Amino acid sequence: SQQGEEDPQALSIQEGENATMNCSYKTSINNLQWYRQNSGRGLVHLILIRSNEREKHSGRLRVTLDTSKKSSSLLITASRAADTASYFCATDARAQGGSEKLVFGKGTKLTVNP
Amino acid sequence: NAGVTQTPKFQVLKTGQSMTLQCAQDMNHEYMSWYRQDPGMGLRLIHYSVGAGITDQGEVPNGYNVSRSTTEDFPLRLLSAAPSQTSVYFCATKRTATNEKLFFGSGTQLSVL
Repeated sequence: SQQGEEDPQALSIQEGENATMNCSYKTSINNLQWYRQNSGRGLVHLILIRSNEREKHSGRLRVTLDTSKKSSSLLITASRAADTASYFCATDARAQGGSEKLVFGKGTKLTVNP
Repeated sequence: NAGVTQTPKFQVLKTGQSMTLQCAQDMNHEYMSWYRQDPGMGLRLIHYSVGAGITDQGEVPNGYNVSRSTTEDFPLRLLSAAPSQTSVYFCATKRTATNEKLFFGSGTQLSVL
């Protein structure tokens, strides 16, 4: 069963704008990760946030986690055309096998227009 | 250092045919897994292995077999292909089962007619 659900399903912005994607999940987690997938390629790990962390930064990426609301957000600042990709959240849910069974959401398709 | 290598990249099968999707890694990772990606469904875990000789089922294991005789290889077998198995298949590995970050192969696009 799907654990993480991204919102929105698709997002189109202009270069230079910020992009925010959200992920909601159902059960308690050990950590939450975000991955990027360029068209026709495999997924690439972006950032991981643990259940005891509230915010994490990596370059132009900012991830927040609200365990009380069971939700996370990924913010990409000053977006570039090269950020065009699908973005997935993945959860390490204790009730679903923990780190052995990473569960992915359905993804947000981001288009950054030049 | 090739990372995670999947072969073939594309495959067309007829219903009832069998085939094996190959996954090889050269990073000495203990954990290997197979996901399928379908439009609107995201990625779903098929099978995984926490080490040589050990395999277990994921969310959608029916119709697929796996084995792990070496650390490097984790083949996925379709014994009798069905149109419902048309999908993109990804192999993903990580150093150990308790590590977090997955490394993905480039995928195999499979069509079953």
